[in-house]
Amino acid sequence: GAGVSQSPSNKVTEKGKDVELRCDPISGHTALYWYRQRLGQGLEFLIYFQGNSAPDKSGLPSDRFSAERTGESVSTLTIQRTQQEDSAVYLCASSLTSGDTQYFGPGTRLTVL
Amino acid sequence: AQSVTQLGSHVSVSEGALVLLRCNYSSSVPPYLFWYVQYPNQGLQLLLKYTTGATLVKGINGFEAEFKKSETSFHLTKPSAHMSDAAEYFCAVTLRRGYGQNFVFGPGTRLSVLP
Repeated sequence: GAGVSQSPSNKVTEKGKDVELRCDPISGHTALYWYRQRLGQGLEFLIYFQGNSAPDKSGLPSDRFSAERTGESVSTLTIQRTQQEDSAVYLCASSLTSGDTQYFGPGTRLTVL
Repeated sequence: AQSVTQLGSHVSVSEGALVLLRCNYSSSVPPYLFWYVQYPNQGLQLLLKYTTGATLVKGINGFEAEFKKSETSFHLTKPSAHMSDAAEYFCAVTLRRGYGQNFVFGPGTRLSVLP
């Protein structure tokens, strides 16, 4: 079946603009995660959704970051008033439920000029 | 809360030599443990995982890892390195179902394989 997909694959934006990143998880996966990976660094947890439970937002670095998920389907990560330090690859992963293997999307490479 | 440490941000081995990538974790309850690999300019792929049962788990491409509860370790090994093994390797821990939700990834170890 189809894997996790993310769009766009690349996004170049100007400082101060808002961006929206999209993630389509594997069908039937109730858990969805967003991570940030800066160049040459590890994965930084951002936010986690599990079914209809309140999301775990503990990893969001500032109030400029927000994410939504509609039911157990698509999720969007929104970054408002982008800053140059937001430049990174944003990875989405989904799993059947919490604690199961995560399957990663190809990522969105965000460049803030 | 759980945490993961990976000793050595960069490991270099010669082709044909043993690969050993270290991972230690801390967790208040029995964890699930994972190794992911990220090849250059590619996404993360699952290499292997430990959930329950046999503590020595085998993954793709000849890699294996052993869960040692007494040492809180989950080191990744491969008997003979190939050039194609050059990549970034991430150890991750999560709590078992019903206990929590977060995956915690280690900082990663970059493996270089020298000819």
